[in-house]
Amino acid sequence: DAGVIQSPRHEVTEMGQEVTLRCKPISGHDYLFWYRQTMMRGLELLIYFNNNVPIDDSGMPEDRFSAKMPNASFSTLKIQPSEPRDSAVYFCASSSRDPNTGELFFGEGSRLTVL
Amino acid sequence: QQPVQSPQAVILREGEDAVINCSSSKALYSVHWYRQKHGEAPVFLMILLKGGEQKGHEKISASFNEKKQQSSLYLTASQLSYSGTYFCGTTDSGSARQLTFGSGTQLTVLP
Repeated sequence: DAGVIQSPRHEVTEMGQEVTLRCKPISGHDYLFWYRQTMMRGLELLIYFNNNVPIDDSGMPEDRFSAKMPNASFSTLKIQPSEPRDSAVYFCASSSRDPNTGELFFGEGSRLTVL
Repeated sequence: QQPVQSPQAVILREGEDAVINCSSSKALYSVHWYRQKHGEAPVFLMILLKGGEQKGHEKISASFNEKKQQSSLYLTASQLSYSGTYFCGTTDSGSARQLTFGSGTQLTVLP
């Protein structure tokens, strides 16, 4: 299995621009998670899906962030408009079990820099 | 609420032992341990469920004290490959099934 695939690996953009991060989970995994990692705040859960349905989006910072999962093999995280404080590594992870008992398989991350 | 890890950083010589602690102010359902090497994604080590169990993974083991709402990760006879940042993640016994990570413990193993 190819594992969780994220794109782009690196993105540099200017403040105010729209950013779209993409994720392909491991086939057969029903859970998909978006985490953000910064030095200051560590690994923060933004949102997670179960069977393509958003279950918990309480970690989404504000209305500028949105996430979708149109089908079992694809998810996007969009930031519009982007701000310098959004600079971080964004990880997508998938799991075959719920957060209580499931091992998370992380993608390699998308490093976002907003100038 | 984010679990608290200690210490924040530790430096060892190859072959030495280390303990990393993770505690929470909430009643826990599960504790998860991950290791992340610089520039890479976190990698799963183990999960402990409430019930006070102890699990092992080669020379890395962990315990979970449900009453004290804390877990410890034990690294025995550490190897150079153990270097990295260790994160504990917790889910609580409430209805919110959300895996929340601590701030991490940076472990450096020197030859």
